Amino acid sequence: QVQLVQSGAEVKKPGASVKVSCKASGYTFTNYDISWVRQAPGQGLEWMGWMNPDTGNTGYAQKLQGRVTMTRNTSTSTAYMDLSSLRSEDTAVYYCARVVLGMDDAFDFWGQGTILTVSS
Amino acid sequence: DIQMTQSPSSLSASVGERVTITCRASQSIKNYLHWYQQKPGKAPKLLIYAASSLQSGVPSSFSGSGSGTDFTLTISSLQPEDSATYYCQQSHSSPYTFGQGTKLEI
Repeated sequence: QVQLVQSGAEVKKPGASVKVSCKASGYTFTNYDISWVRQAPGQGLEWMGWMNPDTGNTGYAQKLQGRVTMTRNTSTSTAYMDLSSLRSEDTAVYYCARVVLGMDDAFDFWGQGTILTVSS
Repeated sequence: DIQMTQSPSSLSASVGERVTITCRASQSIKNYLHWYQQKPGKAPKLLIYAASSLQSGVPSSFSGSGSGTDFTLTISSLQPEDSATYYCQQSHSSPYTFGQGTKLEI
């Protein structure tokens, strides 16, 4: 069965960086894009960007350009999201999701979420 | 960026009732519109994709309609487990924006 398993909760200080992982199983990793979505406490969903695990191509939300990097390791079927120069506003739950081209890019499977707390 | 506006922001309904949630896009997105359900502390779950296609395993009480700028999610007969927050999302153009959410209380 398809699963996306994310790394554990993180606590970081302002200005630091964080790297969240998302390990895929149950399907061919390189056949589906991965998107990252975050959710600040009590708030809605915010799309952060996408990555094609086959080519490594990426696209990022304008507001995160320069601070976010999405990469992958195809040998371990793992996607990564790096966020740098952290601020308190980056405190959120971070989700990875599988993107299905044949469903007009709907997100059909999601990771369990990784809680990031940014605090001095 | 395409803005997605949901209404209402919250609603309360009873078991067995029919409810409709509306999502409006700031420009035409054809049918690149998806609906997700999120329960507290859980990841979102895909309900409807491409405006009206039911995701596998989702009860047929859920349905979606619309195209262009106006879309609806309908739950034909509410069940207690439908209590959740519902989000629409467009995938017509980057960034793939979400609506602000509709909290449904049963």
